Formats: sequence, structure tokens, C-alpha cells
Amino acid sequence: DQQVKQNSPSLSVQEGRISILNCDYTNSMFDYFLWYKKYPAEGPTFLISISSIKDKNEDGRFTVFLNKSAKHLSLHIVPSQPGDSAVYFCAASAWGNDMRFGAGTRLTVKP
Amino acid sequence: EAGVTQSPTHLIKTRGQQATLRCSPISGHTSVYWYQQALGLGLQFLLWYDEGEERNRGNFPPRFSGRQFPNYSSELNVNALELEDSALYLCASSSNRRRVHFGNGTRLTVT
Repeated sequence: DQQVKQNSPSLSVQEGRISILNCDYTNSMFDYFLWYKKYPAEGPTFLISISSIKDKNEDGRFTVFLNKSAKHLSLHIVPSQPGDSAVYFCAASAWGNDMRFGAGTRLTVKP
Repeated sequence: EAGVTQSPTHLIKTRGQQATLRCSPISGHTSVYWYQQALGLGLQFLLWYDEGEERNRGNFPPRFSGRQFPNYSSELNVNALELEDSALYLCASSSNRRRVHFGNGTRLTVT
């Protein structure tokens, strides 16, 4: 029961350009969404989050957009840097419940 | 502040054996989550413990079990190991059921 889906296993962009990572969800009870970043041999680390009462949240180079009607969120990284190369996981939770993750998208930023 | 710690880092078992993985949450966190990341797959939700009780479990067979101790640390047990149980097992903790913090995982190899 994959409630959170990341349909692109990988993405490659040039340094300085925009990276757009996408995520879809099926559970309409989800009201909080997060992005995590994972380097090899480390656990995922929190990047940015958004509540369902908002449609956009920014933190420096990272912006998350939420489209509730489409059950879709995206992460924009501008400008992309080689150090951003990692696996990015989308996550979602409903209040009082556990957190579900997508399959991840491997981002490669080329110098 | 110490992060989430998991032990052991690596574990090698043979098919049919039992494996025990341990997790210490961040101080003050009462919720502990377990996820499995098998090769090529995302973070599959396994178990959620909060205040010493199992709150939810993912779509895994009963041979995956665990518990949470009074100090909120947790243990994941996998009985009758199968080759496909080989994966990275990640533990996460949370104080608010919104943002989870991950450990670096236990790499379980079943031969």
C-alpha cells in the first residue's frame, strides 16, 4: 500500500540550474509533508516541511510546493550545487499517526 | 545533544537465525519508528512505538516484532531470517510525531 509515491528514481541536473523533485500521495488524511535527504552510509536528515494549511514553504535554496487537490508536492532546489547530490525522500503523516515515505529520488548535480 | 543511536552497525546472520537490532532515541523523545530499506526500495514502514506501546505496524509478517522499554529505547527482532530480509534497518525517534530524526541504521545481511 504505497501511499507516498516518487515516480522518478533518478534526476540529473547541471550545477546552478533548478532541481525539481516530485511526489504524489494517495491518503487524503495526510496533513503534514516533509522532505528528507540521505547520503550513503548515513540516516536520512530532515530538509524542509509543509503543513496542509499552506501551499508553499521556503528555506534558503529549498522550496516545497503543495497542491492538495492534486495530492502532489514538489521540492525545488535553486541553484543546485554538487553537494546536493543525494537521495531525496518525500514523507507524509496524518496527525497522531506514523510517517510514510516514498521510494526516493537520486539527485545528481554535475559540476 | 546525542542523536539516535543504533547498534550494531552491521550484522551478518544465516537463514533461519534470529536477529536483534537496538535503538536509543534522542533524549526526551517518546516515539520510536522502525523502517526497512531494501536494495532499490524506499523506506518501508515496519513498526511504531510510543510510550511503551506498539501503535501501528506496517505490512510485514509477524516474525518482525519489537518492543519499547521504559527508557524509550527499542529493540527490533526478526525471527526465522530469510535472504530477502537483507536490508538497512533504520530507527527514528520523535517528540511530536511530526518530524522524525533518524539513526545511521543497521545493515543486516542474511546468507
